[in-house]
Amino acid sequence: DSGVTQTPKHLITATGQRVTLRCSPRSGDLSVYWYQQSLDQGLQFLIQYYNGEERAKGNILERFSAQQFPDLHSELNLSSLELGDSALYFCASSVGTGTGGNTIYFGEGSWLTVV
Amino acid sequence: GQQLNQSPQSMFIQEGEDVSMNCTSSSIFNTWLWYKQDPGEGPVLLIALYKAGELTSNGRLTAQFGITRKDSFLNISASIPSDVGIYFCAGQLTGNQFYFGTGTSLTVIP
Repeated sequence: DSGVTQTPKHLITATGQRVTLRCSPRSGDLSVYWYQQSLDQGLQFLIQYYNGEERAKGNILERFSAQQFPDLHSELNLSSLELGDSALYFCASSVGTGTGGNTIYFGEGSWLTVV
Repeated sequence: GQQLNQSPQSMFIQEGEDVSMNCTSSSIFNTWLWYKQDPGEGPVLLIALYKAGELTSNGRLTAQFGITRKDSFLNISASIPSDVGIYFCAGQLTGNQFYFGTGTSLTVIP
């Protein structure tokens, strides 16, 4: 158990819909990262938050957005869903901004299936 | 974005054999991490490396942070069936992002 909690574990929704994925980081971790992993693909970095502020942005679509709340949990919002958005979405957390000596720990992921 | 070249892409080995995989980059990293991912689960941290030249072991696993800071390797000795999975390297620049390799799929034949 990494200490990173993600909900829901599985989600099936229709095209055009909107979903929210939730992540609670490890106790004491201030940074939250979101990654997307499609079938047989590597981990694609989406976005990172540190202590409530956006710190880095990767290949995140405009239809996707995220935020980190004062209690440090984070949500990833996916809207106008398309079939190609079906993937495993991971949240990860680390202690700091990632400026060295940091390690990130992953949650178990949220399986999103768009039908 | 940054590219981490991880090789080999896949490996099929006999139980008991040793395994070696590596990651290279055109950029200098200040942290190298190695993860194992089982199907449908999140990556699990195996080894973290923070200094150039550092050699760290975790049971049958050994990883090294390359002297040039542009590469890292992971060795698994005396492989067993439960070593099956996908192994990812990750590197961190001075900054915020961690960049991941494309993964090495390991199959261990009993």
